[in-house]
Amino acid sequence: EVQLVQSGAEVKKPGESLKISCKGSGYSFTSYWIGWVRRMPGKGLEWMGVIYPGDSDTRYSPSFQGQVTISADKSISTAYLQWSSLKASDTAMYYCARLTGTSAWPYYFDYWGQGTLVTVAS
Amino acid sequence: IVMTQSPDSLAVSLGERATINCKSSQSVFYSSNNKNYLAWYQQKPGQPPKLLIYWASAREFGVPDRFSGSGSGTDFTLTISSLQAEDVAVYYCQQYYTTPDTFGQGTKLEIK
Repeated sequence: EVQLVQSGAEVKKPGESLKISCKGSGYSFTSYWIGWVRRMPGKGLEWMGVIYPGDSDTRYSPSFQGQVTISADKSISTAYLQWSSLKASDTAMYYCARLTGTSAWPYYFDYWGQGTLVTVAS
Repeated sequence: IVMTQSPDSLAVSLGERATINCKSSQSVFYSSNNKNYLAWYQQKPGQPPKLLIYWASAREFGVPDRFSGSGSGTDFTLTISSLQAEDVAVYYCQQYYTTPDTFGQGTKLEIK
């Protein structure tokens, strides 16, 4: 059974750093893209970026390039999303999700994690 | 690519048809494989999104056959043929033709 299990909710202050995780199981972690999607309170879904753990090919939305870093450790089948300096506007639910596709072209999200709520407040 | 859904919200009676539209600012049809790079997701409160439809019209395994997708190029439709109470959710279309992939703004579906 394919599963993506995300790390727990976080409460942080502006300016702090944060790294959240997403552990995949039940499939070949290096053969599928993993992506991150943001849902801000009362808003819709936003595609942040994706990584192919097999070769670490990483692609970002221009909206998130330079704001976050996506990485993966294939030895423990875990993907990460990190911030170096959080802002209040980063308060949101963050989902990781597996994508079907080829090694060169990610397609749609077929399995989703349960979400990690990040709250940034002073 | 900008994805625009209509309407933003929709109220339909139980057992009636619900139709949600999605328009892309440029074609998401790839002629090399004759596929439209368009997916639909359902998100219920407190849950992650769930894949319903991919390649514009292919139903994901386990999705009830009352859900169907149609369209090509820039105009797409998600249809629920007979609305059930458990279909109350927000529905999103997504293009995966070009990075960054983009979602529509969502359509909130309620029971009338």
